[in-house]
Amino acid sequence: EPEVTQTPSHQVTQMGQEVILRCVPISNHLYFYWYRQILGQKVEFLVSFYNNEISEKSEIFDDQFSVERPDGSNFTLKIRSTKLEDSAMYFCASSPDNNQPQHFGDGTRLSIL
Amino acid sequence: DQQVKQNSPSLSVQEGRISILNCDYTNSMFDYFLWYKKYPAEGPTFLISISSIKDKNEDGRFTVFLNKSAKHLSLHIVPSQPGDSAVYFCAAKGGANSKLTFGKGITLSVRP
Repeated sequence: EPEVTQTPSHQVTQMGQEVILRCVPISNHLYFYWYRQILGQKVEFLVSFYNNEISEKSEIFDDQFSVERPDGSNFTLKIRSTKLEDSAMYFCASSPDNNQPQHFGDGTRLSIL
Repeated sequence: DQQVKQNSPSLSVQEGRISILNCDYTNSMFDYFLWYKKYPAEGPTFLISISSIKDKNEDGRFTVFLNKSAKHLSLHIVPSQPGDSAVYFCAAKGGANSKLTFGKGITLSVRP
């Protein structure tokens, strides 16, 4: 069964550094998403992306965050200047359209030191 | 953000019996509801969904019931199996919005 893949599985970064989290969505899906889960808290929506542009974003997704689909298969989340509070599991998801279930990858654990 | 609530943090059930996981929501704009299952060190796996035009959806051992007037949904697993032991998340979305709003999750333990 096709799946969403995320790399790396664990990323350790110094505070203030830039980090890029990578995702390969399911190949025939058109909608892409990033969520995060801070330890002990709920899974929170960050951003959705369709037709090469952001379709929806949360208040968490400020100017430090950006997303990109650099080629036909990858979908990336960049955090420009990481803060301690960015430490979380980051999940990428994709769906065929906006009314179908979203399918999640196994996440990247981001640890900011 | 308490728009989706899973008030019980855990549930323990004997193998072969029914597991009933509950979820409440407050946002009347939600019209599509999903259940996800999550094992440690893995991402949420989609289980079953229901649109607000229905009150029941069934897929094998999993059935989701929606009570719109009470803003309540439940996931029934029958018969429960030890491999069902995981964290179960309820999620909801509304209209043209693409974001899913998640509950905190409930940890299900199925005892052999």
